[in-house]
Amino acid sequence: AQTVTQSQPEMSVQEAETVTLSCTYDTSESDYYLFWYKQPPSRQMILVIRQEAYKQQNATENRFSVNFQKAAKSFSLKISDSQLGDAAMYFCAYKDGDMRFGAGTRLTVKP
Amino acid sequence: GAVVSQHPSRVICKSGTSVKIECRSLDFQATTMFWYRQFPKQSLMLMATSNEGSKATYEQGVEKDKFLINHASLTLSTLTVTSAHPEDSSFYICSASQGPIFQETQYFGPGTRLLVL
Repeated sequence: AQTVTQSQPEMSVQEAETVTLSCTYDTSESDYYLFWYKQPPSRQMILVIRQEAYKQQNATENRFSVNFQKAAKSFSLKISDSQLGDAAMYFCAYKDGDMRFGAGTRLTVKP
Repeated sequence: GAVVSQHPSRVICKSGTSVKIECRSLDFQATTMFWYRQFPKQSLMLMATSNEGSKATYEQGVEKDKFLINHASLTLSTLTVTSAHPEDSSFYICSASQGPIFQETQYFGPGTRLLVL
């Protein structure tokens, strides 16, 4: 079974600074999708960014970008110019059929 | 676009009763819907996957007779917790995807908080 590991239960960043959240996964598949979701206190899951495994180019969405290392099975999320509204739980997810989530990283943004 | 709603957002029920939670895709047709359960400060655990018009596929350890899932149309899936017990208290989240299960991004509902007394 595919597993997703987020090794950082909590992270903290100063407002306007950059932070990187780590994610590794285990799979024997070659085609799959990777996602980062944000869950604020409202608990609504919000898609932050998605990466297709067949694409070598790292996905970017405004201040959010990923470092996708397929051989290393690593998928980290970089948040640039952190804002107070970025504070939330961040879940890394793997999908090749159904979606599996990591344990999450709680991000705190300090003003 | 790609909005998913859930109803109710919060429900309190007595032990032994049944509770139905609805999940609707508001602006797209959801070929596949997923039900997750999330305990406090934990990740989302997949309970089951349903395709419109087909029986749901349950994850190992999830009792299909206890958690009844119906996906009768391309915009509606329901989860019924039968004979609820306090240990069923949790946050239930549905998600929906538009296309083939492999390819499409999943869009999540806002969740339903269930408390069984």
